[in-house]
Amino acid sequence: DAGVIQSPRHEVTEMGQEVTLRCKPISGHNSLFWYRQTMMRGLELLIYFNNNVPIDDSGMPEDRFSAKMPNASFSTLKIQPSEPRDSAVYFCASMVSRTQYFGPGTRLLVL
Amino acid sequence: SQQGEEDPQALSIQEGENATMNCSYKTSINNLQWYRQNSGRGLVHLILIRSNEREKHSGRLRVTLDTSKKSSSLLITASRAADTASYFCATDPANAGGTSYGKLTFGQGTILTVHP
Repeated sequence: DAGVIQSPRHEVTEMGQEVTLRCKPISGHNSLFWYRQTMMRGLELLIYFNNNVPIDDSGMPEDRFSAKMPNASFSTLKIQPSEPRDSAVYFCASMVSRTQYFGPGTRLLVL
Repeated sequence: SQQGEEDPQALSIQEGENATMNCSYKTSINNLQWYRQNSGRGLVHLILIRSNEREKHSGRLRVTLDTSKKSSSLLITASRAADTASYFCATDPANAGGTSYGKLTFGQGTILTVHP
């Protein structure tokens, strides 16, 4: 198995632009988590899905953030419009047997 | 303070020495997990210990759990330079009636540096 796949690995954009981050979970894992990691705030859970249904989005910082999981093999996290304070590493993780498997992350820089 | 706080924040040792990291938490848990993160990479699961377990081993890793003190420790024996990474504890909370779907709360991590 290739593990959790995230794309792009790096994204540099300008303030106000739309950013879409993508995640392909490990096949057979029925839960998916989106995290954001910064030096200041550490690892923050943004939203998670179970069987493609959003369960808890209380970590989503603002309405500028949205996430979807249209099927079991794909999820997106969208930021529109992006702001410099959104600069961070965004991780996707899928879960089986209470253990989470993280992707390599997307390093986002908003100028 | 947050669930799952690691101590110390940073640890620097020589290769061959043992490294011990501690984690404290506040609420009842189903299990506690330890993850490792190498610089620029995603987190990697190391070990899971259930609330009814007191000690668990995996290779050079030894994890203990004391639910009465709400604390856990991770011991890495005979450390290697390749063990240099950040180590996070994560708690899977026990829900009375509900389900957490495996939602974990991560601590801030311990940065371990092993000098060759």
